[in-house]
Amino acid sequence: DTVLTQSPALAVSPGERVSISCRASEGVNSYMHWYQQKPGQQPKLLIYKASNLASGVPARFSGSGSGTDFTLTIDPVEADDTATYFCQQSWNDPYTFGAGTKLELK
Amino acid sequence: EVQLVESGGGLVQPGRSLKLSCAASGFTFSNYYMAWVRQAPKKGLEWVATISTSGSRTYYPDSVKGRFTISRDNAKSSLYLQMNSLKSEDTATYYCARTTYGSYLYWGQGVMVTVSS
Repeated sequence: DTVLTQSPALAVSPGERVSISCRASEGVNSYMHWYQQKPGQQPKLLIYKASNLASGVPARFSGSGSGTDFTLTIDPVEADDTATYFCQQSWNDPYTFGAGTKLELK
Repeated sequence: EVQLVESGGGLVQPGRSLKLSCAASGFTFSNYYMAWVRQAPKKGLEWVATISTSGSRTYYPDSVKGRFTISRDNAKSSLYLQMNSLKSEDTATYYCARTTYGSYLYWGQGVMVTVSS
């Protein structure tokens, strides 16, 4: 299976820029997607196919990367962005998710 | 407005069966692949099953293959997940999701399944 590796946690101040990384154990082309999940809620798609902003998602969120290394960037970070962020690949079978990066605001 | 509403969860003993349902509205259900994704308590996300628009093609990870069956009724705009031979590790919140490019844009609110004696 394709393993997606994410940093467990990050802490940033409001107004700053934050980059959340996701490294795949094998190439996933551009089929990497990013989700935001807040406690008690279902995940919300932010970015699909590496760099495409999902409908209704603020332009503060952006994605980049291809192959095995991908990044979700939030600029500027707002207080409401406190959440866990998951990457997910849909190039290799089975589809897999990263373990998530918990973003906390200072 | 797209809505996905799951039902059918609950407490079930190991080895028993349970069937989840997902009622879809706000879009042309028959035009989209659909999927189930689960999340164990305080854990990450795991893809469980995907079904094609007509229902003729289904896909599963090894962890559930042979035990779970995904199906759909396009006339009723409904998605199903039949879960047999349940194990404690199947305990999770199960989400119904609409999928495009293998990503999940729309999710239901989730339904809890607890497998315990």
